Formats: sequence, structure tokens, C-alpha cells
Amino acid sequence: QKEVEQDPGPLSVPEGAIVSLNCTYSNSAFQYFMWYRQYSRKGPELLMYTYSSGNKEDGRFTAQVDKSSKYISLFIRDSQPSDSATYLCAMSVGRGGSNYKLTFGKGTLLTVNP
Amino acid sequence: EAQVTQNPRYLITVTGKKLTVTCSQNMNHEYMSWYRQDPGLGLRQIYYSMNVEVTDKGDVPEGYKVSRKEKRNFPLILESPSPNQTSLYFCASRPGLAGQLEQYFGPGTRLTVT
Repeated sequence: QKEVEQDPGPLSVPEGAIVSLNCTYSNSAFQYFMWYRQYSRKGPELLMYTYSSGNKEDGRFTAQVDKSSKYISLFIRDSQPSDSATYLCAMSVGRGGSNYKLTFGKGTLLTVNP
Repeated sequence: EAQVTQNPRYLITVTGKKLTVTCSQNMNHEYMSWYRQDPGLGLRQIYYSMNVEVTDKGDVPEGYKVSRKEKRNFPLILESPSPNQTSLYFCASRPGLAGQLEQYFGPGTRLTVT
């Protein structure tokens, strides 16, 4: 079983839809959970991060972590064509030294159609 | 402008011909890292460096070398490239050993080995 599993999609939704992106993980030592967004032909950029169970909101984006189920989600409300990108989840055991090593999911390709 | 730069952005080469991909950051970051991104496999860490003259292997170091002689530069060296090293390569940096979670990624180098 891979440490981090993410459905690669592709996922295609109409503009304005609510999007749900998900990852599961097997390593219970993961403490920090991140979502990166990667536009075509660009490097990934950090969208959100959290280190506790529950929800964290930032504008149209909500990150959700359920450590008991080893499940994380990213919700996008009122999706826009500019949200079309690949979304990667990433996790680490710690935030310093060798504990910082990021383990990425494979990424989900999202297309928001006007 | 704070950024991570990589050169070249695109490279086509032949098996066995040594090459170097350069990475430079202007943010005075201690931590730098190299990843490769392949379809169906996601982002995988090749090597990382926690400071000048301190480097360590990531998940897929075979066939690669790195050096960190200056804080701002972290070149990736392929001594004898092979076709299975055809991939999209990203350099990333972040501040401090126990600092913030965000890694800043370069724009990527697409390497083809024939």
C-alpha cells in the first residue's frame, strides 16, 4: 500500500460547481498536510496547509483533515475556469530537519468548464 | 523578485552524455531539494540539502549526484544519463531547518534522454 493515495482523475466540472478532492494515507506519523496547485508547464505552488484535524478555510478553499480515518480533502466552492490545474496533496511527519520530507500524492487533474 | 530558477528548461540529450541542470534561489533559503515528476508516479524526491555541504538521498537517488557548495545553488548532475531518466525535474527551496512549511518550486526542466 502506498503511503499516500490520490485519485488522478481527470475531474471535469461546470463553472460554479463545488469540487471535492481527496487523499488517503497510511502513515499515522504524518502531522502536516498540504495542498499544492500546479498549472500546466509550471512548478507546484502551496495552496493551503493544516496540522490538525478539522477544517481550515481560505476564501473559496477549505481543507479538511480526519486523522482518525487518515483522510484529507480539499473543497473548492464556486469553482472558476482559473481553478483548472492539477492538485497535489502532500504530507510530512514534522516541519524541520529530515522530518520535513514531503510525500506527495500523484495529483488530480481538474478542469472547470465555462 | 523572490524565485527559484532552473536551467535549462528543456533538454534533449543522448544516453551516456554527462549533463548538469542548474538550480538557483535568491531567498537565502537553507533547504533545497530536487524532485522528478512522472505520469502515474507523481513527484518523487531525488536528493535534498539542509545547508551548504550537507546533502542526503531522497527516494530515487540512483543515477544522480548533487553538490551544495554555495547556499544559493544546488545543481543536479547526471553522470551517464539513461532513457529511464527522461522526466520533468523540479528544484525547490524553503527557509530554515524548522521553519515554515512552504516549499518554493522552480519552473521545471523537461529532460529527454534518447
